[in-house]
Amino acid sequence: DVQLVESGGGLVQPGGSLRLSCAASGFTFSSYSMHWVRQAPGRGLECVSAISTGGGSTYYVNSVKGRFTISRDNSKNTLYLQMDSLTPDDTAVYYCARVLTGYDYWGQGTLVTVSS
Amino acid sequence: EIVMTQSPATLSVSPGERASLSCRASQSVSSSLAWYQQKPGQAPRLLIYGASTRATAIPARFSGSGSGTEFTLTISSLQSEDFAVYYCQQYDNWPWTFGQGTKVEVK
Repeated sequence: DVQLVESGGGLVQPGGSLRLSCAASGFTFSSYSMHWVRQAPGRGLECVSAISTGGGSTYYVNSVKGRFTISRDNSKNTLYLQMDSLTPDDTAVYYCARVLTGYDYWGQGTLVTVSS
Repeated sequence: EIVMTQSPATLSVSPGERASLSCRASQSVSSSLAWYQQKPGQAPRLLIYGASTRATAIPARFSGSGSGTEFTLTISSLQSEDFAVYYCQQYDNWPWTFGQGTKVEVK
C-alpha cells in the first residue's frame, strides 16, 4: 500500500526554522513528482512547493519564495521541506502529496505552529 | 495565478437527494481539474481528475463534468458519508490552486 508519513512539525517562534520530512513507501518514489500542500486552521488548501522526480526542478508559491526549500533523497524515499524565517501566517497543517493527475495520495499531515 | 471560485459556500441537502457543486476558473485550465473530499481531521481524498474521470474506488454516484473554465461535481444520491467539504483544484499551471471549498451539510 502507498504510504506517506510526515514528521518534523511543532511549535516554533517567529523567525525560526523547521525541517519537515515525508517518508514514502509502497511505490517507486523516484518516479513521481511530489508537492507540499498546507492548510491553515479552518482554512482552505494551498500548494506551497513542488519538486520533479530527480529533484532538478523546484517550484514555490510566491508567499514562501526565498524562505522555503524543497528537496528529496530518492535513495531514502524521503521528501523534505526546509522552512526558514517562519511567520505566524505559516501556521498550518503541512501535507506531502504524490503527483499524478492531481494528488492521488496524501500524507496525514504535520502541524506547524508559529507563535511566540 | 489562476483563481478558482466555488459555489455555493454551503449546500444543505437531505440524504438521498442530488447535489451539484460548481467551480469556475479565472482562465481556461482545459480539463486539468480535480475534485477532492475532505472530512474533519483527515487529509483530502481525490475523487475526480481530468474533470470527469473517477479516481480509484470512488463510487459511481460521484461524477464530474466541464472543461475550460466551468466545472461541476454532481453527487447523484447523497449518502451519510458524503457530508464533507469539497474542493476543486486546477493543475494546468503552477501554482496549482484550489477553490475555497463547498461544505455539504445535512438539511
